[in-house]
Amino acid sequence: DAGITQSPRYKITETGRQVTLMCHQTWSHSYMFWYRQDLGHGLRLIYYSAAADITDKGEVPDGYVVSRSKTENFPLTLESATRSQTSVYFCASEITGQRREQYFGPGTRLTVT
Amino acid sequence: QKEVEQDPGPLSVPEGAIVSLNCTYSNSAFQYFMWYRQYSRKGPELLMYTYSSGNKEDGRFTAQVDKSSKYISLFIRDSQPSDSATYLCASEMDSSYKLIFGSGTRLLVRP
Repeated sequence: DAGITQSPRYKITETGRQVTLMCHQTWSHSYMFWYRQDLGHGLRLIYYSAAADITDKGEVPDGYVVSRSKTENFPLTLESATRSQTSVYFCASEITGQRREQYFGPGTRLTVT
Repeated sequence: QKEVEQDPGPLSVPEGAIVSLNCTYSNSAFQYFMWYRQYSRKGPELLMYTYSSGNKEDGRFTAQVDKSSKYISLFIRDSQPSDSATYLCASEMDSSYKLIFGSGTRLLVRP
């Protein structure tokens, strides 16, 4: 199916474990983004990527690692999960150009115990 | 202080009412202003998009940006129960591609 998908949709993990959240888009959009959404904070940008092999930090990057070896994939890794990383994570993509529209995935609900 | 401030609500209105949702921002460099709608347990989707100041209308929705007062508004006419969702305002600088979101306002339209 065309669009942007995330996996897993739900994940429970323990403190200290490494977790990788996957994001895949079928549009070949140049830009991809990872956000976390927490009550009272709205959406906050973790990392973004302008193209394959080009990534940059957002507002809240600490504790997270990203890579982008292929245009369509943008995985987010929590190297050593902490309870404060319990959140809903959204991946998004955007085509470059005049119009600013980010297309969001369905989200991954992560709980760190 | 957050760069984009938004009243979290919830805002409860009867069906057919005119809804006014508002945000303020602090960064004068913001040039793009968006409203995203997010249904429960779904990803946000773009509702309205404005470049610089002015009004934009799309059906029952009108977005307004006043850069002199750093104020962003979304008006919904003839509100419907299907409009019940969280509305997120967002702003972006030129050449940035980095959206700064408000915390979202939860809207409930009662039948």
